[in-house]
Amino acid sequence: NAGVMQNPRHLVRRRGQEARLRCSPMKGHSHVYWYRQLPEEGLKFMVYLQKENIIDESGMPKERFSAEFPKEGPSILRIQQVVRGDSAAYFCASSSGGKETQYFGPGTRLLVL
Amino acid sequence: QQQVKQSPQSLIVQKGGISIINCAYENTAFDYFPWYQQFPGKGPALLIAIRPDVSEKKEGRFTISFNKSAKQFSLHIMDSQPGDSATYFCAAKVVSGTYKYIFGTGTRLKVLA
Repeated sequence: NAGVMQNPRHLVRRRGQEARLRCSPMKGHSHVYWYRQLPEEGLKFMVYLQKENIIDESGMPKERFSAEFPKEGPSILRIQQVVRGDSAAYFCASSSGGKETQYFGPGTRLLVL
Repeated sequence: QQQVKQSPQSLIVQKGGISIINCAYENTAFDYFPWYQQFPGKGPALLIAIRPDVSEKKEGRFTISFNKSAKQFSLHIMDSQPGDSATYFCAAKVVSGTYKYIFGTGTRLKVLA
């Protein structure tokens, strides 16, 4: 299966803990996007990365959130000191180039207690 | 302002009927307009997409109509089936730089058997 993979699919954290969300893009794709979806809302862009580079992080909250896409391995979205408002579905998308279609993974549903 | 407005918020259609979902955008910094279908607990799946140099695109029962001068585009689902019941999102891709998608707020479609 060459689709976008995300794990974990569900993640429960207590307030103040850290959440790490992983995304493996489709084979041959080197562009990764992260989006957040709040309940009953559309997807909101967070960050766009290429291998080892952050291209656009204009949608990322200024504090507690960070993302990386190392030369080897999956892209990681990291949320430090989670709060209840971070509870959402986080989707990763990948493309073969900036101008190409983005394909989405199944998402990670984060619940902060 | 990069924004995409989608309507209606929800839609109920009889089996065999036509489902119509509309989107409008507010600036011209977009060059690609995909529609995504999302089932509960799943990631968005690309349904059909159009570029602004084309006024209509049809794939099976799904048609996108695009009106560049009015900055509007719509999805038509012909012969709607219960299996089409899902949430549909329109999106617009920013022309350059980030290539991020701006999503509409979604339309929850229910097709009655």
